[in-house]
Amino acid sequence: GQQLNQSPQSMFIQEGEDVSMNCTSSSIFNTWLWYKQDPGEGPVLLIALYKAGELTSNGRLTAQFGITRKDSFLNISASIPSDVGIYFCAGQNYGQNFVFGPGTRLSVLP
Amino acid sequence: DVKVTQSSRYLVKRTGEKVFLECVQDMDHENMFWYRQDPGLGLRLIYFSYDVKMKEKGDIPEGYSVSREKKERFSLILESASTNQTSMYLCASSLLWQGASAYEQYFGPGTRLTVT
Repeated sequence: GQQLNQSPQSMFIQEGEDVSMNCTSSSIFNTWLWYKQDPGEGPVLLIALYKAGELTSNGRLTAQFGITRKDSFLNISASIPSDVGIYFCAGQNYGQNFVFGPGTRLSVLP
Repeated sequence: DVKVTQSSRYLVKRTGEKVFLECVQDMDHENMFWYRQDPGLGLRLIYFSYDVKMKEKGDIPEGYSVSREKKERFSLILESASTNQTSMYLCASSLLWQGASAYEQYFGPGTRLTVT
């Protein structure tokens, strides 16, 4: 089946730094979602993208739907300790269910 | 805000027991989903439902069944629990797809099931 790749798998950053992560697919998607999951909790929806080239912000978070429709990017500006967690992307193709990426684990050092 | 609740946060069951996991959403969503989440394997879809009494198999339905008697409630059933079903189980809901596009899914807090 379809698979998503997320990069990097994990990252350690200093508080205050900006963060970039991406999600790539071998297939074209028409919807991209970004989630954050804290340990022992369910994923929380951060941003939804529905159009190629779309750039959407949610506070310090900005996500983009890649022009090729095979990738998406998430940026976090001025990271804070509560940004720690696992960030998942999910992509959906016409008439199909969402496919989820393996996640990027973010650690923020004080 | 969308709220998806799951009946238990933690469960410990014995091999061979019948296990019920319940999920309730309060946003009148048509679609409901059950996933399991395992380290290194990500989220895998077990079953989903787009209407009352309707169910569709996901990627890994073996060993599971589901029930949707009311729109807001979706139950996952492990007929005879096995140790390889130890996992985090996540329920999600969404609005019904419009045309070819799917709406965003909202997740519950998860149930961590241990089968001994």
